[in-house]
Amino acid sequence: KAGVTQTPRYLIKTRGQQVTLSCSPISGHRSVSWYQQTPGQGLQFLFEYFSETQRNKGNFPGRFSGRQFSNSRSEMNVSTLELGDSALYLCASHSGRAADTQYFGPGTRLTVL
Amino acid sequence: GQNIDQPTEMTATEGAIVQINCTYQTSGFNGLFWYQQHAGEAPTFLSYNVLDGLEEKGRFSSFLSRSKGYSYLLLKELQMKDSASYLCAVRALAGNNRKLIWGLGTSLAVNP
Repeated sequence: KAGVTQTPRYLIKTRGQQVTLSCSPISGHRSVSWYQQTPGQGLQFLFEYFSETQRNKGNFPGRFSGRQFSNSRSEMNVSTLELGDSALYLCASHSGRAADTQYFGPGTRLTVL
Repeated sequence: GQNIDQPTEMTATEGAIVQINCTYQTSGFNGLFWYQQHAGEAPTFLSYNVLDGLEEKGRFSSFLSRSKGYSYLLLKELQMKDSASYLCAVRALAGNNRKLIWGLGTSLAVNP
C-alpha cells in the first residue's frame, strides 16, 4: 500500500498571504487529521475529517480551515498568514474505526517571512 | 482536565536498555499510542495498548496500567539510530467524539 503523501513538502510565504496544503491518505482510509508542530509546543491538533465531514476541531482561529473530498483526499488552508504560522504541518491518515492508528505523511514545512 | 506527562530529555548508552515513562490524566480512556519521531521527519507508529500489560515488538516493548494512568516504552539493545523523540498519545472518548491527546515527547540521545 502506498503511504500518506503530502504536497508541497516545503513552502515559503510572506505575511498576509494564504496557503493551501494537500494530503492523500492511505488507500481505504476515510479519516484524515491535521496537526501543527512547532518546537516546544508539540503536536497541536487542527481538525479531523471523516467521509467529507469535519468530525473534530482543535482550538485554532478561523484562519485555519480544511475540507475533504469524496476520494478522501484532504486540503487545509491558512489565510492571512502570520509569522507564528511557521511550522511543520502534518497530516495523519486513519481508518476512522477500531484501533484507528494514525499514520503520518512526511509533512509540509511552512516558513512565513 | 486532560494531561499527558513525559520526561523532556533522556540519555542512554549504545547497547543499553532505556525506559521512557508516560503518565496521563484523561476521562474516557480508549487506548495509548507510542510514536517515534526523528529530527525533521514525521512521527512513525511504534505501539498501541488498550488493555493492561506488556506488548512486545522486537527490541521495543510498551506497558500499560490503566488504574495508575501510566505507560512506559522500553527500548532494548539501544542503537545510535534510536536517537529520536518518543511521543506518547492517549485516545479519549467523549460521547461520540474521539480525540488523541499528545504528550510533548521525550528526546532520547543514544551515545556510543
